[in-house]
Amino acid sequence: ETGVTQTPRHLVMGMTNKKSLKCEQHLGHNAMYWYKQSAKKPLELMFVYSLEERVENNSVPSRFSPECPNSSHLFLHLHTLQPEDSALYLCASSQEVRAAYSNEQFFGPGTRLTVL
Amino acid sequence: GQNIDQPTEMTATEGAIVQINCTYQTSGFNGLFWYQQHAGEAPTFLSYNVLDGLEEKGRFSSFLSRSKGYSYLLLKELQMKDSASYLCAVQGIYGGSQGNLIFGKGTKLSVKP
Repeated sequence: ETGVTQTPRHLVMGMTNKKSLKCEQHLGHNAMYWYKQSAKKPLELMFVYSLEERVENNSVPSRFSPECPNSSHLFLHLHTLQPEDSALYLCASSQEVRAAYSNEQFFGPGTRLTVL
Repeated sequence: GQNIDQPTEMTATEGAIVQINCTYQTSGFNGLFWYQQHAGEAPTFLSYNVLDGLEEKGRFSSFLSRSKGYSYLLLKELQMKDSASYLCAVQGIYGGSQGNLIFGKGTKLSVKP
């Protein structure tokens, strides 16, 4: 595997379910990100991790719970979601969080989540 | 506040040239990215500008004017495979974390035969 991978690619869940999204990066990066992409909206940054430590949480509801067990893996645990949470969830990684120069982020293919 | 504007949709003809504009107002600036995103796929890096001027890379060029808060992506010799969304993103000082990217809504480009 190369780059950034995400599983599952598609997920349909009810509002009472609990599920997890998984992201893995094979680039040796130190920073990982979760984004939400909804139709006609900009990519919304949800969480930022640097070397397994959460450095940013952008007012995301507690029904989304991130976990970063090591610098290569990132999870997003989901529980009691709402239909408006249906979106494409993208994971990304970059060399560092704080960058004095280009901080190019490499994205995974995303998980298309539908909440019924 | 943080604001990045780009047109929602554009249409162009195969073989033609198209320019996608992006204007931004952000607190702090450390460069501007353009990403390409095909439907259902990951955004992929196209270009990065941190100094004023034009950066050329094959059929794609990107321009930046920091004083005007303005950038554009120029696509030449359009091909059908260029049909995609193009995302403008500013790297800045956001929420205390230097290096985060702030994205525009994206411009959906349709290339017609």
